[in-house]
Amino acid sequence: KQEVTQIPAALSVPEGENLVLNCSFTDSAIYNLQWFRQDPGKGLTSLLLIQSSQREQTSGRLNASLDKSSGRSTLYIAASQPGDSATYLCAVPISGTYKYIFGTGTRLKVLA
Amino acid sequence: EAQVTQNPRYLITVTGKKLTVTCSQNMNHEYMSWYRQDPGLGLRQIYYSMNVEVTDKGDVPEGYKVSRKEKRNFPLILESPSPNQTSLYFCASSPRGTGRYEQYFGPGTRLTVT
Repeated sequence: KQEVTQIPAALSVPEGENLVLNCSFTDSAIYNLQWFRQDPGKGLTSLLLIQSSQREQTSGRLNASLDKSSGRSTLYIAASQPGDSATYLCAVPISGTYKYIFGTGTRLKVLA
Repeated sequence: EAQVTQNPRYLITVTGKKLTVTCSQNMNHEYMSWYRQDPGLGLRQIYYSMNVEVTDKGDVPEGYKVSRKEKRNFPLILESPSPNQTSLYFCASSPRGTGRYEQYFGPGTRLTVT
């Protein structure tokens, strides 16, 4: 059964730091992995979609990597800013189904 | 503008009073889905639809109904709401449901059942 874990649950960093958020999954038979950002009380904004055939995907200061063999994805945020403060979620489709499973997220706070 | 819309955004109701939360997308997506988000439990999938007239249960379907009569709309129906259905609900859509495509989310509906 696919399980998705995000550690840590919360993270505080000073502005300007580079940081890494982690997403682990138990079943490596995934088509892709998607990273989202969620601001408090708001909807989910898609950040990056990384296909199973890719190892990395980049958008601006964000870089997502995927290692299926180890069941891990990381989201790297360069030069963090207070505006990056949000909850970051990862999600994978469950192999052989039309279902999706989400991690419980990492709540990031970037201090000015 | 390509988007997923939900209505209402906020709803307070009483136990047992039937309600419908609407979801609409203008991207001609085949796949649509409903999630609920609860503190400590994350997002859980309620129902999904692979195309018109094709729906299936997610992980937490009890107490909910859906229908997909048109491609753009996917309403969530609570026939007899109970307090444990108090939650933040999200609708999402994707070009197809094969797991190879990005999901796009609506802004959410905060439901309180008293």
